[in-house]
Amino acid sequence: NAGVTQTPKFQVLKTGQSMTLQCAQDMNHEYMSWYRQDPGMGLRLIHYSVGAGITDQGEVPNGYNVSRSTTEDFPLRLLSAAPSQTSVYFCASAGGGEAFFGQGTRLTVV
Amino acid sequence: AQSVTQLGSHVSVSEGALVLLRCNYSSSVPPYLFWYVQYPNQGLQLLLKYTTGATLVKGINGFEAEFKKSETSFHLTKPSAHMSDAAEYFCAVSEGLSSNYKLTFGKGTLLTVNP
Repeated sequence: NAGVTQTPKFQVLKTGQSMTLQCAQDMNHEYMSWYRQDPGMGLRLIHYSVGAGITDQGEVPNGYNVSRSTTEDFPLRLLSAAPSQTSVYFCASAGGGEAFFGQGTRLTVV
Repeated sequence: AQSVTQLGSHVSVSEGALVLLRCNYSSSVPPYLFWYVQYPNQGLQLLLKYTTGATLVKGINGFEAEFKKSETSFHLTKPSAHMSDAAEYFCAVSEGLSSNYKLTFGKGTLLTVNP
């Protein structure tokens, strides 16, 4: 009963590097989302998907790309990491009136 | 556009005391409201939600919240705090139950429980 699984849990990047944060869910939910959490800011929506092949931008999409080729997976790509992207990233899947969150990825960009 | 304001970034109570965490929202459509709890280095866990119907909502761990449309509020309460309640609490709003993949969160309230 894994729910929402995020990998890696921790990552340090150098400015300008690219990477992909992985997110997988096993609840067969159509809806998935990415949020970032910064101190004193709460969680802010980066991108979301309402089904395989369908994605859209949230509140803070700049510097991030997403794709949704399967129902299960929703990876988040940082194209050229910047220090401003230092944050904790949460993936969520939604269904049955509830959003389920992963354990988060703590990303530091130096 | 929706927004959520949580009054008080840090609330400190004694064990056994009343917990009151305040949340006010703004929404152009009937809101769906949520309270989430985050323990250190963990993800978010749903405490309770308001969709339609009864305005007093009961959640897990003895928490409850009351939806007051006239005050645009959804405050979270617990009659008697326990040490295990120490965590950060987030209020969130969506435009509909089917839109809960697009949550708008407040900035959070850190609850400290003193022995």
